[in-house]
Amino acid sequence: QKEVEQDPGPLSVPEGAIVSLNCTYSNSAFQYFMWYRQYSRKGPELLMYTYSSGNKEDGRFTAQVDKSSKYISLFIRDSQPSDSATYLCAMRSGGSNYKLTFGKGTLLTVNP
Amino acid sequence: GAVVSQHPSWVICKSGTSVKIECRSLDFQATTMFWYRQFPKQSLMLMATSNEGSKATYEQGVEKDKFLINHASLTLSTLTVTSAHPEDSSFYICSALLAGGKETQYFGPGTRLLVL
Repeated sequence: QKEVEQDPGPLSVPEGAIVSLNCTYSNSAFQYFMWYRQYSRKGPELLMYTYSSGNKEDGRFTAQVDKSSKYISLFIRDSQPSDSATYLCAMRSGGSNYKLTFGKGTLLTVNP
Repeated sequence: GAVVSQHPSWVICKSGTSVKIECRSLDFQATTMFWYRQFPKQSLMLMATSNEGSKATYEQGVEKDKFLINHASLTLSTLTVTSAHPEDSSFYICSALLAGGKETQYFGPGTRLLVL
């Protein structure tokens, strides 16, 4: 079993749809959870950063972490064509270990 | 804030030559930087962790003599691909750790390397 599982998609939605992306993980030591957005041929861009369980909202983006289920989600409201990208979940344990464990990424296309 | 740059953005070289890629944190100091490579439609693969003023820590299977890493200042790390071969062609991405606040990695735009 991989440490982090993420459905690679591809996921195609119409403009304005609510998008749900998620990852599951097996390592209970993970405490910090991130979502990165990566456009084609570009480096990943940090979207959301969450510590432990709970919800975090930033504009059209909402990140949820459920540590009891080892499940994290990213919701995108009112999706736009500019949201078309690969979304990577990433996580790490606490302390001074800053290495990230990534999911494989989900390729999202928002159609106008 | 937390901007990371890479140079060059793309490079084409002949087999057997060496290529140096620079990674700079533009608006913060980074004691730790990371180097990744990414193959098409795959996730990032960590190659090494670079700490300012000390030797880099390489991941299992990464040849340290092949991929030389230098982190001589708090804002600059370099990756040199020595004696590059076509199989080294890839997308190389660096990241810098922003300490304090969101202690997470901020990524550069990547360098596309093509070895002919």
